[in-house]
Order: sequence, then structure tokens, then C-alpha cells
Amino acid sequence: EVQLVESGGGLVQSGGSLRLSCAASGFSSNDHYMDWVRQAPGKGLEWVGRIRNKANSYSTEYATSVKGRFTISRDDSKNSLYLQMNSLKTEDTALYYCVSAGLDLKKDGAFEHWGQGTLVTVSS
Amino acid sequence: DIQMTQSPSSVSVSVGDRVTITCQASQGISRWLAWYQQKPGRAPKLLVYAASSLQSGVPSRFSGSGSGTDFTLTINSLQPEDFATYYCQQANSYPYTFGQGTKLEIK
Repeated sequence: EVQLVESGGGLVQSGGSLRLSCAASGFSSNDHYMDWVRQAPGKGLEWVGRIRNKANSYSTEYATSVKGRFTISRDDSKNSLYLQMNSLKTEDTALYYCVSAGLDLKKDGAFEHWGQGTLVTVSS
Repeated sequence: DIQMTQSPSSVSVSVGDRVTITCQASQGISRWLAWYQQKPGRAPKLLVYAASSLQSGVPSRFSGSGSGTDFTLTINSLQPEDFATYYCQQANSYPYTFGQGTKLEIK
């Protein structure tokens, strides 16, 4: 069974930092592009960023709203994904989902598997 | 950034109805569009990718169509478990963007 389990969320003051982790199991996560998607309380979905696989040099992409503040990394030896969040703002308050993209070309832009999310609250 | 606009924002429907949700992109995205279903307190679930390809395990009453800037998600014969919020998402170019969501409510 595919599982993505996020951890590391919590309450942090504006300007602070937090590191989220995601443990993947039940599939060959190393082959997949991995993403973070967030959802502010009562709001819609917002894509945060992506890290590609080793074959694609672990290259990354970010949403405009987080570029320069957030960094995505992965450790394939641990089947883990990370999101380092710096200079946090109150508008970063959200449930953060770890997501794996589909493997084939038609599906690599779609978010196939989702974790249950970890809540980040940024106070002023 | 590509803007994705869904309509309607919410709709009241009955079990057994057919419902169509539309999603319009601010520029052409070919067929790089996905649809998701989200129920309260749950993570989203992938329904359709590449505009019309049904994700494994998704009932055949769900279907997607469209290309370029205009897309639709159709649900035939609505079931009680289909009442949820639906999102479209473009995967044509970074940054990926979602529509604002369409909430299906029971009439």
C-alpha cells in the first residue's frame, strides 16, 4: 500500500523557520517526482514546489509565492522528502501535503498519491 | 502564472443527476489538465489526468474532456459519495496552478 506520512508541522512565529518531512513507503518513490501542495484553512489547493528524480538531477521548481524562501530536498536512501521553510509569513499557514506524481509522461504533472498533511501555523 | 477558473463555484444537485463542471485556463495548456475530488477532512484524490484519462480505480461515471483553454468534468448518475469539492489543475507549465474549486451540495 502506498503511504506518504508527513511530519514536522507546528506553530512558529512570523520570520521563523520550520522543516517538514515526508516518509514514503509501498512504492518506488525514488523514481517519482515529488511535490508539496498546501491548503490554507477553508481555502483551495496551492502547489508549493517539486523536486525531480535522480535521473533528472534532482532539479526543483517553486511557486512564485515561496521562491527564495522554501527549499525542497529528498534523500532517496531514506525514501524521504523534505521542505525547508524560512522567513515564514502568516499567509504560509496551511495544511501541507506531500504528494507523488505519476510516473509516465502523461501523468507526471498529476498528483497521484497524497499524504494526510501536516499543519503549519505561522503567528504574528 | 496561468490562471485556472472553475464554474460554478458551487451547485446543488440530486442523487442520480448528471453534473458538468467547467475549467478555463488563461492561456492554452494543450491537454495538461487534471481533476481532483476532495471530501471534508480528507486529502484530495486524483480522478482524471491528461484531460480525459481516468485514474485507475475511479468509477466510469466520471469523465473529462477538453483541450487548449476549455475543459469539463462530467459526473453521470451522481452517487451519495460524489458530494465533495472538485479542483482542476494545469500541468502545462510551472508554476502549476489549481482552480478555486467547485462544491457539489445535496439538493
